[in-house]
Amino acid sequence: SAVISQKPSRDICQRGTSLTIQCQVDSQVTMMFWYRQQPGQSLTLIATANQGSEATYESGFVIDKFPISRPNLTFSTLTVSNMSPEDSSIYLCSVERLADQETQYFGPGTRLLVL
Amino acid sequence: GESVGLHLPTLSVQEGDNSIINCAYSNSASDYFIWYKQESGKGPQFIIDIRSNMDKRQGQRVTVLLNKTVKHLSLQIAATQPGDSAVYFCAEVRYSGGSNYKLTFGKGTLLTVNP
Repeated sequence: SAVISQKPSRDICQRGTSLTIQCQVDSQVTMMFWYRQQPGQSLTLIATANQGSEATYESGFVIDKFPISRPNLTFSTLTVSNMSPEDSSIYLCSVERLADQETQYFGPGTRLLVL
Repeated sequence: GESVGLHLPTLSVQEGDNSIINCAYSNSASDYFIWYKQESGKGPQFIIDIRSNMDKRQGQRVTVLLNKTVKHLSLQIAATQPGDSAVYFCAEVRYSGGSNYKLTFGKGTLLTVNP
């Protein structure tokens, strides 16, 4: 499997501010994804980070709130903009490798608390 | 709407016993399923997968069974150990056109192993 790191691992932020989460993979991957996991809940896909083009967002998630970048095949960022307490959650990136398409491997997550 | 869900939200077993975690799905067109394990404070970890042309697949101490007739998936863990304590998610791969797909997660089952 790929080694995936996320920064920061956790943060406490004030409402109205923005936080950018980084996801770094140790090898080139085909696809990168961003998920949200609210406390005690399952994972919900936010968007697919496409290399060289705009991210593809799921219903209920918009680019203005969750801008995503993917400048190359090993790195992506997710920004949570104009945060409110409802954004408190775990944000996870996952990757799909060419060697095993359809299987996603997850990073450790970023635990965000918005006050 | 279509969903992936679990019969039991929590499961408590004695160390050494076998554990069975169940999952029901409703999209009969899905052809690939994955089980993930999520330990506290970590991201989901791939355990085992199965395609719809199979009804059983075995890994190290784990077996996944797929019953397409009743749209039911189960994960069996043999000789459960304290390190198996975690939340287990089943996930369903759903295609949305061409090679685009989405991973849809079930609600999760918390497995607690008592020494």
